[in-house]
Amino acid sequence: GENVEQHPSTLSVQEGDSAVIKCTYSDSASNYFPWYKQELGKRPQLIIDIRSNVGEKKDQRIAVTLNKTAKHFSLHITETQPEDSAVYFCAASRGGNEKLTFGTGTRLTIIP
Amino acid sequence: GAVVSQHPSWVICKSGTSVKIECRSLDFQATTMFWYRQFPKQSLMLMATSNEGSKATYEQGVEKDKFLINHASLTLSTLTVTSAHPEDSSFYICSASGFRGTGNEQFFGPGTRLTVL
Repeated sequence: GENVEQHPSTLSVQEGDSAVIKCTYSDSASNYFPWYKQELGKRPQLIIDIRSNVGEKKDQRIAVTLNKTAKHFSLHITETQPEDSAVYFCAASRGGNEKLTFGTGTRLTIIP
Repeated sequence: GAVVSQHPSWVICKSGTSVKIECRSLDFQATTMFWYRQFPKQSLMLMATSNEGSKATYEQGVEKDKFLINHASLTLSTLTVTSAHPEDSSFYICSASGFRGTGNEQFFGPGTRLTVL
């Protein structure tokens, strides 16, 4: 089955700096890669997703890049703000109504 | 956006009792629902996938006789934790996908925190 690895497990950045979180996946049939932000005790919140037919997607301060050949994708957050502090999860699936396999999570702390 | 609800939001029960958790899609028909379990400071681990009207598919290592899943309609799936024990204490989250023109996105419920004494 699919295996998703995520790094780093913790990340601290100064407010205003950029943060990058990286994930790799193993199933070459995976074609949908969402990123979630989860605050303590809350549900995961989709912040951005990318499908395998594109290499990059951007939404304001958040961007995701995908390298299908190398089987890795990354989340980039620019101009970080204190409210960006949370746990972030990457995930992968084969699309449609297929199951998601989650990465291990990254605890992001923005230092004011 | 698509709304998924869960009930109850938290539950405390005694060891040996059974607990039922409901997951509802409020504004769309969910052909597929997923049940996850999340222990503190860990990731979401898929327990099972359920399709409306058919038996659930359980992930390796998840006891199907202990975690009973029913997906009787396109808007409701239930997870029953039978003979719960303290090690079953966790955050249980459902998600749903289906006919909404949203492609691959899964919509998550708010979660249910189960504490078994």
